[in-house]
Amino acid sequence: DAKTTQPTSMDCAEGRAANLPCNHSTISGNEYVYWYRQIHSQGPQYIIHGLKNNETNEMASLIITEDRKSSTLILPHATLRDTAVYYCIVRVEDSGNTPLVFGKGTRLSVIA
Amino acid sequence: EAQVTQNPRYLITVTGKKLTVTCSQNMNHEYMSWYRQDPGLGLRQIYYSMNVEVTDKGDVPEGYKVSRKEKRNFPLILESPSPNQTSLYFCASSRRTGATYEQYFGPGTRLTVT
Repeated sequence: DAKTTQPTSMDCAEGRAANLPCNHSTISGNEYVYWYRQIHSQGPQYIIHGLKNNETNEMASLIITEDRKSSTLILPHATLRDTAVYYCIVRVEDSGNTPLVFGKGTRLSVIA
Repeated sequence: EAQVTQNPRYLITVTGKKLTVTCSQNMNHEYMSWYRQDPGLGLRQIYYSMNVEVTDKGDVPEGYKVSRKEKRNFPLILESPSPNQTSLYFCASSRRTGATYEQYFGPGTRLTVT
């Protein structure tokens, strides 16, 4: 699976959009971009995933650049409950029996 | 409510005393797995199961056993726990959508072995 690079930490004001970047310059054509988050000591939570098109769900939006070498997770209106570590993970398709590899992620602090 | 449940949530035990951590999911997922999380080491997979009666080792299986007799349950068994198994444990199940898998995690079990 391709390696990802994320900033160590970010701050965001409550109510503003949080934009979390991820670089995955070695991504290959059959690899998807996944985002998970982990609120302190809770189980990781799936957020969203995509291949090359932008995706949106009730939690977030995922913007993938045209060359697929980077992506941005957008939380449109961050709340204090969005404070967590966010993980960008690249995985090949049909990889259900392989473990998720969580890197160090980005620690997002939402500030009142 | 769709969820993965684990019990117990917290457990303190002594070396050598067999224990079982239960995991159950109500989403009819075929794929389930166990992870442990340790400071500085991140999440590491212990065992996984692709379906009933099908289990396989993950990255750190030593000292653990699992079984998958029913689709919804995937217990983790420590036959003779040791202090190096003190950790935070997560069970997960996966939903397949096309060629991708979304994993759903339980709330975690914090185990201390003295």
